[in-house]
Amino acid sequence: DTGVSQNPRHKITKRGQNVTFRCDPISEHNRLYWYRQTLGQGPEFLTYFQNEAQLEKSRLLSDRFSAERPKGSFSTLEIQRTEQGDSAMYLCASSRGDLAVQETQYFGPGTRLLVL
Amino acid sequence: QQQVKQSPQSLIVQKGGISIINCAYENTAFDYFPWYQQFPGKGPALLIAIRPDVSEKKEGRFTISFNKSAKQFSLHIMDSQPGDSATYFCAAIRLGTGNQFYFGTGTSLTVIP
Repeated sequence: DTGVSQNPRHKITKRGQNVTFRCDPISEHNRLYWYRQTLGQGPEFLTYFQNEAQLEKSRLLSDRFSAERPKGSFSTLEIQRTEQGDSAMYLCASSRGDLAVQETQYFGPGTRLLVL
Repeated sequence: QQQVKQSPQSLIVQKGGISIINCAYENTAFDYFPWYQQFPGKGPALLIAIRPDVSEKKEGRFTISFNKSAKQFSLHIMDSQPGDSATYFCAAIRLGTGNQFYFGTGTSLTVIP
């Protein structure tokens, strides 16, 4: 399977704990994006990388959130001191470059986080 | 502020019927409008997309109609099948950027056999 993969698929944690998610993009894609999707809503942009450089962060990404892509391949998204409001599906997507006709993002299956 | 407004929130259609989902946007800087299909437990998958210089695009049973002056676009699913039951998201993109990508709130489609 050469699609975008995400691990874990599900995560249940207690409020206050730290969690880390991993995303492996399609191999030749240099752009990687993180989105958050809550129930009944469309995905909301969190941040994106061009290779290892983090180019933009949404104001949705509070100081408790940090994302890295150390070698320009896989990426991790860490949430510190989780809150119940962090419960959501966290989606990763990748693309070859800038958003372009017939070259939009390819999404992974997501990591569903539940904070108790 | 919701960049893309989508309706209806849910839709039930008989097998063989036409499913119609509508979206509207405000920012005229958007220049690409894809539709995504999402099944439970999966990420969104690109279904069909259109540029604003085209009024209609058809791929198989799926058609996008685009009204640039009204800043509205819609997805039509002809001969709807139970396998089409999923959540559909419209989106608006500003090409050449990495982050100007906004989704609608989604429409849950159920096709009854």
